Amino acid sequence: AQSVTQPDIHITVSEGASLELRCNYSYGATPYLFWYVQSPGQGLQLLLKYFSGDTLVQGIKGFEAEFKRSQSSFNLRKPSVHWSDAAEYFCAVGVTGGFKTIFGAGTRLFVKA
Amino acid sequence: DTEVTQTPKHLVMGMTNKKSLKCEQHMGHRAMYWYKQKAKKPPELMFVYSYEKLSINESVPSRFSPECPNSSLLNLHLHALQPEDSALYLCASSQGPSPSETQYFGPGTRLLVL
Repeated sequence: AQSVTQPDIHITVSEGASLELRCNYSYGATPYLFWYVQSPGQGLQLLLKYFSGDTLVQGIKGFEAEFKRSQSSFNLRKPSVHWSDAAEYFCAVGVTGGFKTIFGAGTRLFVKA
Repeated sequence: DTEVTQTPKHLVMGMTNKKSLKCEQHMGHRAMYWYKQKAKKPPELMFVYSYEKLSINESVPSRFSPECPNSSLLNLHLHALQPEDSALYLCASSQGPSPSETQYFGPGTRLLVL
């Protein structure tokens, strides 16, 4: 069965430091992969997505993610974190043959001054 | 316009009340979704409408009743809810029902059932 694992429930990073959020998926074929961000009390916003082609994907707000098939991973990175990046981050996989998107449990990012 | 709007923003209702949540998009999207999100949890899919027809019902209790009157509008009718139904209800839409499509989310309706 398809699944998405985000191993870190929360991460604290100093402002200006680099960030990497981990995501592992379980899926039989090449997956459709997404990273969404959710600020408190808000809806989700797409940061970036991967379907095929270049395994390094650029997104909005300076985020990027790298698809590694051998590791079944799709980790999100940012070279320099801003205080406004504090939010919940969800990795998700789109399930072929259905209408479903499966979300990971989320990683809460805290940014300290 | 890449916005999905939801009304109301907040809703408090008793267990005997009937209320409705509304979702609207004007992006020409043909797939619309209802999700339920409890605190500190990921969104859980409830319903999917594809071209105004109900495509997925994730075994949601009948006290939740979705409706898609037209391609821009999605409603969720609530009746005889339980306190455990208190959550953030998110609406989303996408160009089509393909899993490769980006879903655009509304800000949600925060529901409290007393």
